[in-house]
Formats: sequence, C-alpha cells, structure tokens
Amino acid sequence: EPEVTQTPSHQVTQMGQEVILRCVPISNHLYFYWYRQILGQKVEFLVSFYNNEISEKSEIFDDQFSVERPDGSNFTLKIRSTKLEDSAMYFCASSELAGELHNEQFFGPGTRLTVL
Amino acid sequence: GEDVEQSLFLSVREGDSSVINCTYTDSSSTYLYWYKQEPGAGLQLLTYIFSNMDMKQDQRLTVLLNKKDKHLSLRIADTQTGDSAIYFCAESRDTDKLIFGTGTRLQVFP
Repeated sequence: EPEVTQTPSHQVTQMGQEVILRCVPISNHLYFYWYRQILGQKVEFLVSFYNNEISEKSEIFDDQFSVERPDGSNFTLKIRSTKLEDSAMYFCASSELAGELHNEQFFGPGTRLTVL
Repeated sequence: GEDVEQSLFLSVREGDSSVINCTYTDSSSTYLYWYKQEPGAGLQLLTYIFSNMDMKQDQRLTVLLNKKDKHLSLRIADTQTGDSAIYFCAESRDTDKLIFGTGTRLQVFP
C-alpha cells in the first residue's frame, strides 16, 4: 500500500541553525501539507501546497519557513533559523483531491525536531 | 473561531465499547474526521462524516454527529488491545486544512 515517508525520523539542531525536513508524498497525489504538533498540544496546520505554489498558510508559517518541491518526488519544509519553540513533531501529508470534496489526507510518520 | 476539544484519556476493558467525544465551535464545518495514531506511526484516517449526516457506521465504528450541540463521537464496539492508540478528531471547512483536537489516548486493558 502506498504511503507517505518522512526523513529523518528525529533531527536535533542548535538554535539559529537551518533545518530541512523531507517528505516523499504518495506518487499520484497533487496536494501536499505540513502540520506540526508541539509536545502535549494540538496538531496544527502550517501550509498547503499545490501546483508548485502555496495555496494556504497559517499564522505560524512566517518568513522563517519555506516549502519546496525540488523534484518530482520530494516535498521539503525548511526552517531558516530555528528557535527553541520550533521543537515539535512535524507531519507531512498528501492528498489526491482538495477543496470542498472529501479529501483524505495521508500522513507520514513525522519528524521529531529538537532545537537545543 | 477555530477550536476542537477532546478529553485526554479513556481507559476501557477489552470487549467493552469505547466512546470518544469531541466538541467543535465552528458550525460551518463541512467534514468531520477521526484519525488514529499508533506509537511511531503517522495519523491514519479511520472514518469521516459529512456535516449533513447524523450517523455513519463502518464495521465496529459508529460516528454520531449532533450539529446543534456541535458534538461528535466515535464509538468502537468490542474494543481490542490493538485499538490502543491516540484518537484525533478533526474538522475541515471550505479550505484544505484540517483543524485537529488534542487527541484522546485510549488504553485497552485485558
């Protein structure tokens, strides 16, 4: 069964460093998402991406964050200068459809980011 | 506003039914979802319900939606140890983003 994969499973970085979290969505999916979950808190939407551009982003997704689909398979989230409060589990998701139709978003296992 | 609330823990005996509850604040929700997260794994969609439905049944799972009270529940019949996981309620409106609750940790004991 096709699945979304994410690497690395755990990333430890120093405050102020740049990190890139990687995701490989399901191959025939066209819509891609990043969510994050700070320990003990809710899963929060960060950004959605379609046709090589951001379709929606949350207030969390400020200028420190960027997303890219550098090739036909990868979808990345970059944090330019990490802060302590960026420590969280980051989930990638993809879906075949979007909009008002029911779109099942398939989630990856997550990358745990720890900022020291 | 956007707010989805769930109780944090539920403990049930194997073979009993589990009922996980969720409340939401925005009446314009289009779809409501239940996701399951097992340790070390991603969020797996269990079931969903369209906002104009009251109930949906899928094998051991029953979803009830009370739009007036903005209350969603997931009933798992004949709960098994393999059902132990965190269960997230989520809603979507006219955009793609999902708005999640905090998750309910279900523990099934023999």
